[in-house]
Amino acid sequence: LAKTTQPISMDSYEGQEVNITCSHNNIATNDYITWYQQFPSQGPRFIIQGYKTKVTNEVASLFIPADRKSSTLSLPRVSLSDTAVYYCLVGLTIFGAGTRLFVKA
Amino acid sequence: KAGVTQTPRYLIKTRGQQVTLSCSPISGHRSVSWYQQTPGQGLQFLFEYFSETQRNKGNFPGRFSGRQFSNSRSEMNVSTLELGDSALYLCASSLWTSGGASIYEQYFGPGTRLTVT
Repeated sequence: LAKTTQPISMDSYEGQEVNITCSHNNIATNDYITWYQQFPSQGPRFIIQGYKTKVTNEVASLFIPADRKSSTLSLPRVSLSDTAVYYCLVGLTIFGAGTRLFVKA
Repeated sequence: KAGVTQTPRYLIKTRGQQVTLSCSPISGHRSVSWYQQTPGQGLQFLFEYFSETQRNKGNFPGRFSGRQFSNSRSEMNVSTLELGDSALYLCASSLWTSGGASIYEQYFGPGTRLTVT
C-alpha cells in the first residue's frame, strides 16, 4: 500500500520560489499524483496533477522523476496569500499529511 | 458553474445516533469520493462512487456506508456514532476516469463538520 511523506512545515518570503516534495515509494502503475491547497475551514483546492515528467499550469509546476517515487510541487514567486496547507494525493486514496507553508513579508 | 455542495455544513450528534450527509457534485460529474479529515489522522479516504456503483473503499468500519443516486448525488451514512467520528467530512467530484490510467481532477466541497458528544 502506498504511503506518502511530506515535510510538516516550510517558511518562505514573498517573491521566492517554493518547492515541496512528497515521497511515495510504493506508487501503483495507474496512480496519478495530485496536489491540493487548503485554507482553514475550506475544502482542498486542486492545484495540479501529473503522471510523470513535468507539468506546468498558470499557478504551479509539478516535477515527477522517471521512477515516480517522489514528486515536487513548485510554486513560483509566492505571496502572503499562498500561506496554506499543501497536500499531495497519490491515486484517489492516499493523502500526505500535509505541508504547512508560511509566507512572510 | 456551481461547485460541489454539501449539506448540512455543521452537525452535532450524540454517541449511538446515526447521521446522513449529503453531497451534490458539479453538474456532469459522475464520480464522487468521500474523505474524513481529523487533526490526528489527516485526510483519509472513505469511498468512491461512479455511476451508482462503489468502486473503491477505504479502511473504515462497516458503520460507514454510502450510496450514489442516478443524478450522481451521493449520501454517506454513519451509524452508531462514536466520539472519534467527530471530523470534517469532505466530498469531492470529478468528471471521469479513463480505463486503466485514472485521470481525475477532483473538486472538493466545503465539508460537513460533524461533532459527536
